[in-house]
Amino acid sequence: QSVLTQPPSASGTPGQRVSISCSGSSSNLGSNYVYWYQQLPGTAPKLLIYRNNQRPSGVPDRFSGSKSGTSASLAISGLRSEDEADYYCAAWDDTLSGGVFGGGTKLAVL
Amino acid sequence: EVQLLESGGVLVQPGGSLRLSCAASGFTSSNYAMSWVRQAPGKGLEWVSLISGDGGRTYYANSVKGRFTISRDNSKNMLYMQMNSLRADDTAVYYCARRPSVWEGEDSWGQGTLVTVSS
Repeated sequence: QSVLTQPPSASGTPGQRVSISCSGSSSNLGSNYVYWYQQLPGTAPKLLIYRNNQRPSGVPDRFSGSKSGTSASLAISGLRSEDEADYYCAAWDDTLSGGVFGGGTKLAVL
Repeated sequence: EVQLLESGGVLVQPGGSLRLSCAASGFTSSNYAMSWVRQAPGKGLEWVSLISGDGGRTYYANSVKGRFTISRDNSKNMLYMQMNSLRADDTAVYYCARRPSVWEGEDSWGQGTLVTVSS
């Protein structure tokens, strides 16, 4: 059971907008930044969103992040087939004094 | 360009020991915290351990506390993970990653090294 809760799966058709949620608690999302990672099959994770809503250079603006209280979400607009991947949220947890990840959401582009 | 290259992953028997290494390049390693994150076959990401930029602070997941030890040598731009009393559920790909600070997330990742614990 992961400390951060994500839906196990999500799906959409090309061009659609999809959103992936991440739920935590006051000791993690409630007091620290959320990060989002994309993991394509057979590859290492890649940073997608940092500090709740910031995009690293090279990440398309189709990807956006938001956070409110103890919940966060990743939105992907203009869905493309290459967006089919696993997505993870992560944060620091003050109570555990460690990092925590969500269980991951597998995104299918139908 | 930031590069992180892990090594040391092998097949080891339960109860055995192993040391993973991560060679960092393309940045001043002492300016960054470093972490290990693992992924068991077919499973999600699990944060394992973290060390501050100067090596003075270390943090561990409960699942590895007392068995794993993280360390770094900034003069060699190297990160290490000494893994003792290995168990079957330690089987995973271990990723080395960079963090801007202890409290921030990983911003660059290595390609990972596979550790298999089996008799």
